[in-house]
Amino acid sequence: QKEVEQDPGPLSVPEGAIVSLNCTYSNSAFQYFMWYRQYSRKGPELLMYTYSSGNKEDGRFTAQVDKSSKYISLFIRDSQPSDSATYLCAMRADKLIFGTGTRLQVFP
Amino acid sequence: NAGVTQTPKFQVLKTGQSMTLQCAQDMNHEYMSWYRQDPGMGLRLIHYSVGAGITDQGEVPNGYNVSRSTTEDFPLRLLSAAPSQTSVYFCASSYRSGRTSSGANVLTFGAGSRLTVL
Repeated sequence: QKEVEQDPGPLSVPEGAIVSLNCTYSNSAFQYFMWYRQYSRKGPELLMYTYSSGNKEDGRFTAQVDKSSKYISLFIRDSQPSDSATYLCAMRADKLIFGTGTRLQVFP
Repeated sequence: NAGVTQTPKFQVLKTGQSMTLQCAQDMNHEYMSWYRQDPGMGLRLIHYSVGAGITDQGEVPNGYNVSRSTTEDFPLRLLSAAPSQTSVYFCASSYRSGRTSSGANVLTFGAGSRLTVL
C-alpha cells in the first residue's frame, strides 16, 4: 500500500463547476500538507500549503486537512479552463512524499 | 530572476552511454534535489543536497551520481544509461532543509528534462 493515494482521473468538469480533489494517506506522522499544480510539460508549482489540521483559503482555492480520517482535499470554486492541469498532493513527516497526481480538465 | 534552470530539455541516449543533467538555481537555496516522474509512480526522490559539499541518497538513487560543489549548481550524472531510466527529471530547491522547517516544503521546480534511453 502506498503511503499517499490519489485518484489519477482524469476529472472533466464544465467551466464554473466546483472541483474537489482528494488524497488519502496512511502515515499519521505527516504534519505538513501541500498541493502542487503541474501544467503539461512544466514543473510542479506550489499552490497551497497547510500545517496540521484545518482549512486554508486562497482566492478560489480551499485546502482542507482531516487528520482523524487521514484525508486531505483541495476545492476549486468557479473553475476556469486555465485550471486544467495535474494536481499533486504532497505530505511531509521526516521526508516529503508526493501523490501520483489527478489530471483535471475544465472545458468551456 | 530565473529560479531553477535545467538543461537539456530533451535528450536521447543509447544504452550504456553516460550524461549529465544540469541544474542551477539563483535563489541562494540551501536545499536542492532531483526527482524523476513516471506515469503512475508520481515524483520519486533520487538524490538531494542540504548544502555545498553535502549530498545524500533519496528513494531511487541507483544508477545516478550527484555532487554539490557550489550553492547554485547540482548536476545529476547517469553513469551507464539503461532503458529503465527513461523518464522526466525535475530539479527542485528550497531555502530551508530542516525537516521541521516550513520552508522545506516550498519547493521550486525546474521545467524538467525529458530523457529517453534506447
